[in-house]
Parts: sequence; C-alpha cells; structure tokens
Amino acid sequence: ETGVTQSPTHLIKTRGQQVTLRCSSQSGHNTVSWYQQALGQGPQFIFQYYREEENGRGNFPPRFSGLQFPNYSSELNVNALELDDSALYLCASSFLNDRSSGNTIYFGEGSWLTVV
Amino acid sequence: KQEVTQIPAALSVPEGENLVLNCSFTDSAIYNLQWFRQDPGKGLTSLLLIQSSQREQTSGRLNASLDKSSGRSTLYIAASQPGDSATYLCAVDTGFQKLVFGTGTRLLVSP
Repeated sequence: ETGVTQSPTHLIKTRGQQVTLRCSSQSGHNTVSWYQQALGQGPQFIFQYYREEENGRGNFPPRFSGLQFPNYSSELNVNALELDDSALYLCASSFLNDRSSGNTIYFGEGSWLTVV
Repeated sequence: KQEVTQIPAALSVPEGENLVLNCSFTDSAIYNLQWFRQDPGKGLTSLLLIQSSQREQTSGRLNASLDKSSGRSTLYIAASQPGDSATYLCAVDTGFQKLVFGTGTRLLVSP
C-alpha cells in the first residue's frame, strides 16, 4: 500500500478522443510525476509537477498536459488520442526537500488505457 | 542522454538459488538509483534506494550495490522464493526526481 491512488483503473477510448486520468497523492507530498509504460517496456517520464507548477517534461507532445491541485490530487490529460497512446499510465508521488534530490518515490497502481 | 540497460531481460531459477540482476547506465551524473518491483499489471514498489554517495543498501534478502564511476548497479537476491517472481526495474534519478528506467528483468522462481 503506497498511499497513491489512481482512477480509473482501466478504460477504452477511441482514436481522436480525449482522456483525463486522476491521481491522489500521499498527504504532504509536494511533487507528482507521470510516467507512460508501454507493454514490455520500462516507464517513460512524461512530466512532473512541483508545488502545482510544471517542473520538467519528457519527450512527449503538447497534447499531453497536466495539473496538480492543492489537495494533493493531480490530473493527466491527453488530447487527440492515438493508437500508440495505449499504455499503463503511472502516477508517482514524493516529497522534494530541495529541487535537486528527494526521498523514496511512491507509485500508484496505474491506469490502463486502450485506444482503439 | 541517459540510457539504462538491464541484463538479463528474463531469468528463470529454482527456489533457493541466489541470483544477481544487473543494471548499467551511461551517464554517471546521477543523484540516486532505485530498484523497483512490478507485479504483472500492477504499479511499482520501491525496494531499495541508493544515494549517489553510497555504495550499497540492504533490506532483508535484498542487497543492492552502486558503482557510479563505472555506471553499474547490481541487485542481489538471496535464497530466492516463488513470491519473488516479478519484473525488477532499476531507475536512475537524473535530478528533481526525474527517473530514467531500464526495461526490466522478468524473474520467475519455480518451486
């Protein structure tokens, strides 16, 4: 039990649609990161939010966007879904005590997205 | 660009064996390295975190080492059990807790 919950656990969308995935972090954690994990691959960093501001982005197009809220929840939004967006999306919660390093990172169970 | 490689990609052993999983990374400028466990269709569970200034960490039957200068880490699992069957991922923290992952080692421990 990591204290990080994600919803929904599974969903199916049609190409071109939009999707919102949600994450509830551990209380007190000021940092949330989102990762995409394709089948058989390691997770890939999408972006990170630190104290409700974007704090870095991986090699993902602008149609991937996010928000972090004061109540330790966050969202990942993906517009204009493509077939290759089918993956497990993982939310990671942590506390950064400075902007360069941190403590253990806690992952949620993920949201399985299938685009057809 | 940081790249992380894990060898072997898959490993099958009988119960009771000691085993070693390998992780290598191309850029030694890391803040820490973590080993995670992932069960099929599930999220990641942190096993061990080694800060860049440390050489190893131990937790129960698990021991992880880090040689930052050579870009290598190993995860040693003693007396393996069927419950250890999972995918093991290593990840390096390149700063601000942005992790770069390897593709993992799938471990199967047979009774």
